Amino acid sequence: DTGVSQDPRHKITKRGQNVTFRCDPISEHNRLYWYRQTLGQGPEFLTYFQNEAQLEKSRLLSDRFSAERPKGSFSTLEIQRTEQGDSAMYLCASSLASSEAYEQYFGPGTRLTVT
Amino acid sequence: GNSVTQMEGPVTLSEEAFLTINCTYTATGYPSLFWYVQYPGEGLQLLLKATKADDKGSNKGFEATYRKETTSFHLEKGSVQVSDSAVYFCALSARGYSTLTFGKGTMLLVSP
Repeated sequence: DTGVSQDPRHKITKRGQNVTFRCDPISEHNRLYWYRQTLGQGPEFLTYFQNEAQLEKSRLLSDRFSAERPKGSFSTLEIQRTEQGDSAMYLCASSLASSEAYEQYFGPGTRLTVT
Repeated sequence: GNSVTQMEGPVTLSEEAFLTINCTYTATGYPSLFWYVQYPGEGLQLLLKATKADDKGSNKGFEATYRKETTSFHLEKGSVQVSDSAVYFCALSARGYSTLTFGKGTMLLVSP
């Protein structure tokens, strides 16, 4: 399977703990995106990378959130001092910068539950 | 700013019925438009897209036409199947930007 993969698929953590998620994009895709989806809502953009450069961050991305893509391949999203409001599905997507419409291909998501 | 508005669900249909899910958008310039589908327990899948006015995107029997004059991109299918039961998301990317703005999603339930 050459699609986008995410790990872990589910994470339960206690309030105040740090968590880290990983995303592996489609191999030839140079853009990688992170979104957050809460119940009954559409995904909301968090941040994206082109190769290893982080090009845009949403105002939704508080300073407790940090994302990296160190070698332009996989990416990690870390949440420090988790809060109950961080409970959501975290989605990763990838695309080709050269594609006409930047169509994005999504991974299965990581469901975070903060207790 | 950019926004997408979809009809609220759930939409409940019998198998072989005609489907329309309404989507309207607000954006600067002329965005690219997308429909994504999320089957139970799975990730978002790109269903179809259109990049300019009057373009028609189509896939798996689903169609949507980019209407600039009404800023709409309604999803249609002539005959739905039980396997089409899922949540459908309309989305846009503004011209020159690659990030997606999504609607809230519309759940479709098809009964035999």
